[in-house]
Amino acid sequence: QSALTQPASVSGSPGQSITISCTRTSSDVGDYNYVSWYQQHPGKAPKLMISEVSNRPSGVSYRFSGSKSVNTASLTISGLQAEDEADYYCSSYRSSGTWVFGGGTKLTVL
Amino acid sequence: QVQLVESGGGVVQPGRSLRLSCAASGFTFSSYGMHWVRQAPGKGLEWVALISYDGNDKYYADSVKGRFTISRDNSKNTLFLQMNSLRPDDTAVFYCAKKTAMAFDYWGQGTLVTVSS
Repeated sequence: QSALTQPASVSGSPGQSITISCTRTSSDVGDYNYVSWYQQHPGKAPKLMISEVSNRPSGVSYRFSGSKSVNTASLTISGLQAEDEADYYCSSYRSSGTWVFGGGTKLTVL
Repeated sequence: QVQLVESGGGVVQPGRSLRLSCAASGFTFSSYGMHWVRQAPGKGLEWVALISYDGNDKYYADSVKGRFTISRDNSKNTLFLQMNSLRPDDTAVFYCAKKTAMAFDYWGQGTLVTVSS
């Protein structure tokens, strides 16, 4: 059981917006200000999409955004495109130098 | 551009050892912490280990503590993962990833480790 819980799957049609949640289920996941999000296409390495809750690295589409409430971080993808179909993982610094990933969410573009 | 290239994967019997390498280029390797992350077939990502920029601090997931050792050679821009007492549930693609502040900003393409008799 991961300390970060994600829905197994989400789906949306092209042009729509979707949100993937990442809920902290363990108190040892620090102050939860260090949530990052990764996109992984089949057979490929993960790619950083959002760091520290809402920071978008250079080169990542503006359609990707991140936010957080107390115990739940969220990744929102607006203007959904076929190329967005992938697995998405959240991650957080946990404690004492250790890190944790959520279980992953499969995004299907209908 | 940042490039991370893992090597050393393969098929190994349970209880045996394997050493993975990650060759880094395109950035000042000695200035950054480095992670190992693994992914079992059809499963999600699992953080394995972190080493500080100078090699002085090392951290491990409970699942590998006492069996795996992370190290680095800054003179050769190379990261290592020594894996001992391998078990079938260690079967996974192992990725090295560059640490930036509080995220993993660049990843290698991964190397597959299969533990099977």
